[in-house]
Amino acid sequence: QSVLTQPPSVSAAPGQKVTISCSGSSSNIGQNFVSWYQQLPGTAPKLLIYEDNKRPSGIPDRFSGSKSGTSATLGITGLQTGDEADYYCGTWESSLSAGGVFGGGTKVTVL
Amino acid sequence: QLQLQESGPGLVKPSETLSLTCTVSGGSISSSKYYWDWIRQPPGKGPEWIGSIYYSGSTYQNLYFKSRVTISIDTSKNQFSLKVHSMTAADTAVYYCARHIAPLYSYYMDVWGKGTTVTVSS
Repeated sequence: QSVLTQPPSVSAAPGQKVTISCSGSSSNIGQNFVSWYQQLPGTAPKLLIYEDNKRPSGIPDRFSGSKSGTSATLGITGLQTGDEADYYCGTWESSLSAGGVFGGGTKVTVL
Repeated sequence: QLQLQESGPGLVKPSETLSLTCTVSGGSISSSKYYWDWIRQPPGKGPEWIGSIYYSGSTYQNLYFKSRVTISIDTSKNQFSLKVHSMTAADTAVYYCARHIAPLYSYYMDVWGKGTTVTVSS
């Protein structure tokens, strides 16, 4: 069972918007930055969002991140077939069991 | 352009030790700006942090693994390594190495290796 909680799946038609939630606690999301990763089948995760809402060079602005309290959200607008993938949130756990933690992943399906 | 490449056996017998190496090319492993991580992903599950190492040799490990894990770094070879002792079927996963931007708690990985599949079976 993952430390961070994500919905197993979300779906929408091409061109629409989806949001993916990531729920944690005061010892992880509540006090540390959140990052988001896209994983296409058979490939390594790719960084989409870091420090809650920043995009690395080359990531389109269709992808956005936000955080409030102990939850974070990834938004994808103008959904494309190429966005069909698994998405994971990650952060640092600052409790006695300190370390990196991830969500269980959300499968995005483009209808 | 920085690249990371994992190397090691794809098949390990139960109770044996897994040894993996990550070779960093296109940049130096001896930078104060980064940590170097091992992350694994069991089939059908999310990623799991195994541990991080700094160029100085300081390590931070997932307590779940207790004393089963050893992470080391060889700056002269631009490599870092992972050993997991007493492997079981539950350790079957894709193992990734990744670059983790300092500080430790910022926790985001901007460069990943392609991953290597490790199966534990007799």
